[in-house]
Amino acid sequence: DTGVSQDPRHKITKRGQNVTFRCDPISEHNRLYWYRQTLGQGPEFLTYFQNEAQLEKSRLLSDRFSAERPKGSFSTLEIQRTEQGDSAMYLCASSEAFSGWIFGPGTRLTVT
Amino acid sequence: GNSVTQMEGPVTLSEEAFLTINCTYTATGYPSLFWYVQYPGEGLQLLLKATKADDKGSNKGFEATYRKETTSFHLEKGSVQVSDSAVYFCALMGNNNDMRFGAGTRLTVKP
Repeated sequence: DTGVSQDPRHKITKRGQNVTFRCDPISEHNRLYWYRQTLGQGPEFLTYFQNEAQLEKSRLLSDRFSAERPKGSFSTLEIQRTEQGDSAMYLCASSEAFSGWIFGPGTRLTVT
Repeated sequence: GNSVTQMEGPVTLSEEAFLTINCTYTATGYPSLFWYVQYPGEGLQLLLKATKADDKGSNKGFEATYRKETTSFHLEKGSVQVSDSAVYFCALMGNNNDMRFGAGTRLTVKP
């Protein structure tokens, strides 16, 4: 296991289109997190899964955003009807208990 | 709620200079504290952590001590290298497993 992977690394889309990102966590980690990072800012929490259950969602996660983690393994984050304000780096992290999180390389989204 | 305040950057140092990046926190309970580093074009990497008061986290020459009395977790390195140029994030994880990050401090080390 080489760590947390995310796909794609970069995505350019036109406003109004839907996009989906994938995160593959470290296999033995049962917790998975999605964060959003804009330029010059620290990561902002979006949502959190423990196994397949989505336990917490930030108010930042509008109804255009949805995340899933079927079978408690990989996770997807979908953004519908993208807006220019959605342009950011989307980070995924996984952890086991309170051991500190391992982040993936991120998916950079640009909405034109 | 829990929050982290970091020293604003950018910070520019010459090679072999001493580094301090200040971090203070506000939290209920007994949080764990972390420093993450983000190199250009890469994701966040855990640099060091401390889980209770007076613990010192250390890695790659960097150190930070969990000071409950001053609610601080300042990052220090005695002699920085050009390869240390990156953005450094202080982070806090509270009892509810919610990780909060500071805004980040960009460090540039010049040869």
